[in-house]
Amino acid sequence: NAGVTQTPKFRILKIGQSMTLQCTQDMNHNYMYWYRQDPGMGLKLIYYSVGAGITDKGEVPNGYNVSRSTTEDFPLRLELAAPSQTSVYFCASSYYGGGKETQYFGPGTRLLVL
Amino acid sequence: GENVEQHPSTLSVQEGDSAVIKCTYSDSASNYFPWYKQELGKGPQLIIDIRSNVGEKKDQRIAVTLNKTAKHFSLHITETQPEDSAVYFCAAPQTGANNLFFGTGTRLTVIP
Repeated sequence: NAGVTQTPKFRILKIGQSMTLQCTQDMNHNYMYWYRQDPGMGLKLIYYSVGAGITDKGEVPNGYNVSRSTTEDFPLRLELAAPSQTSVYFCASSYYGGGKETQYFGPGTRLLVL
Repeated sequence: GENVEQHPSTLSVQEGDSAVIKCTYSDSASNYFPWYKQELGKGPQLIIDIRSNVGEKKDQRIAVTLNKTAKHFSLHITETQPEDSAVYFCAAPQTGANNLFFGTGTRLTVIP
């Protein structure tokens, strides 16, 4: 049982490039989330999904896209990378939603946009 | 949405002393308050949570207290050990949504 896995661990992008951050969970959780963590700012929700085929925006969705074709996978897409997207990205999952149950986090992806 | 404020941003204690981290929230309907610990280079991990039907919850050396009237909750760590050194986040849900709003974190350093 690997929990939540994320790839890559670290990536450097040039301004305007695109990339997909991968997230997979093996706990059969319905809910999945993408957060970004900036220094001194805590975690901000980018997008979340309540199940396969259903996604919704969080606090800071601009510049990102997501899809949820399976229960296990929830990739995050950056189309035109900007320096403001330099951050650490965490994927998380939970069985129930409503923000009232334990969220299990992956190890994070550190992204640097230059 | 919910607004969660966390203090202090950094905290240094001697090994064996106690540490207290405080959070306030704005949504009076919030009823679930988790605390996450983030070790260097890792994702956050839940260490304790409390629901609004209780005022205090303990798990060995850690405890959380909740004051719904004042809309604040606190994390208490007793007999601190070097392995307690980490960043701690409080959080609260947004009523009627699936969001968790996180505080800005407290970096705890336990000095041996």
